[in-house]
Amino acid sequence: NAGVTQTPKFQVLKTGQSMTLQCAQDMNHNSMYWYRQDPGMGLRLIYYSASEGTTDKGEVPNGYNVSRLNKREFSLRLESAAPSQTSVYFCASSEDATLNTEAFFGQGTRLTVV
Amino acid sequence: AQSVAQPEDQVNVAEGNPLTVKCTYSVSGNPYLFWYVQYPNRGLQFLLKYITGDNLVKGSYGFEAEFNKSQTSFHLKKPSALVSDSALYFCAVRERSGNTPLVFGKGTRLSVIA
Repeated sequence: NAGVTQTPKFQVLKTGQSMTLQCAQDMNHNSMYWYRQDPGMGLRLIYYSASEGTTDKGEVPNGYNVSRLNKREFSLRLESAAPSQTSVYFCASSEDATLNTEAFFGQGTRLTVV
Repeated sequence: AQSVAQPEDQVNVAEGNPLTVKCTYSVSGNPYLFWYVQYPNRGLQFLLKYITGDNLVKGSYGFEAEFNKSQTSFHLKKPSALVSDSALYFCAVRERSGNTPLVFGKGTRLSVIA
């Protein structure tokens, strides 16, 4: 019963470094999402993929890129990390973005940029 | 654009008392509405959702929520709070049309005191 798996769980980067956050789901869901969670800000959508082969910007896409590698996997890349990207990142998936299905979340990646 | 407001950052309630966590929303047309709970260092867990039909929705762990279209609200309730209910609660909304993702409120921290 893996559900949504994110790696790594923790990461410390220096300003300007790059990294990719990995996300995989085993529920055969069509839609996948990347959110960031900051104190007092709730969850803000970075990017989402309504179906394999499509990606769309969310509320806060600047400084990020995504790849929907296949139906299972949706990665988030920081090309040049900045301290403002220090956050907890959550990947989620749902059966379909157009239906009334709930999203399932990974455990999160705690990223610190120094 | 869709949005969610959770007017209270913190709600304190004594164990055994009823609890309410407030949520109001703004969407074009009729919404899909969701409540999620987050325990420390964990991802979000789905509690309940409103799709259509009965305005009172029952979910996990004894929680329920009432959809009020005229007040554009979807308040989370529980008749008798437990200390273990202490967590961060998020309301979320999705428009019914198009490939729209979930939009979350900023969260309300519920503290149940023994």
